[in-house]
Amino acid sequence: DIQVTQSPSSLAASVGDRVTITCRASQSISRYLNWYQHKPGQAPKLLIYAASTLQGGVPSRFSGSGSGTDFILTITSLQPEDFAIYYCQQSYTTPLAFGGGTRVEIK
Amino acid sequence: QVQLQESGPVLVKPSETLSLTCTVSNGSLSGTHWSWFRQPPGKGLEWIGYIYFTGSTNYNPSLKSRVTISVDTSRNQFSLSLTSVSAADTAVYYCARRGHYDNYFDYWGQGTLGTVSS
Repeated sequence: DIQVTQSPSSLAASVGDRVTITCRASQSISRYLNWYQHKPGQAPKLLIYAASTLQGGVPSRFSGSGSGTDFILTITSLQPEDFAIYYCQQSYTTPLAFGGGTRVEIK
Repeated sequence: QVQLQESGPVLVKPSETLSLTCTVSNGSLSGTHWSWFRQPPGKGLEWIGYIYFTGSTNYNPSLKSRVTISVDTSRNQFSLSLTSVSAADTAVYYCARRGHYDNYFDYWGQGTLGTVSS
């Protein structure tokens, strides 16, 4: 099975900051990597699929990059509504797997 | 836009079966896969399995022996059955729709907490 590791597990940032979250797969997954935002009590929200394709309706301050085993989610100019938990998910093969999550908190 | 809503008993006794249903609104089950996930308290997301609208399934091997996912296109619903539950199965259960091109998930339900307790 492919394991997915996220870092950091949490970070504190201020409104307007640039934030980067890293996801590493245990083997090459090409560009089969997706990112979600999850707020307590809400449904997870798809942000990016295929490593860098922005889902419709998602603000352009979110971007994704990477291929193979290493991927990055970048939030430029963090907004108050962006404080949440972010997950990456590999879709290269089943069983599908998520990273452990990165909690983005207010500094 | 497509909406998903989970429903089912919130409290199940150990060794019994947890059964949940996902009702899809503003869209058809046809043409794509529909999936179940769960998130135990304080832990990350886990994929349980998915079903194609024709009924073919793919399950997480870690749960395969206890899971059945079924679909009812006439009711625009799909369901999860998890047998022989224990406290480790206590989690928020989510249903979701697979995206058009790959195994990412573009619409999710709000989730329902399934608690296993005597």
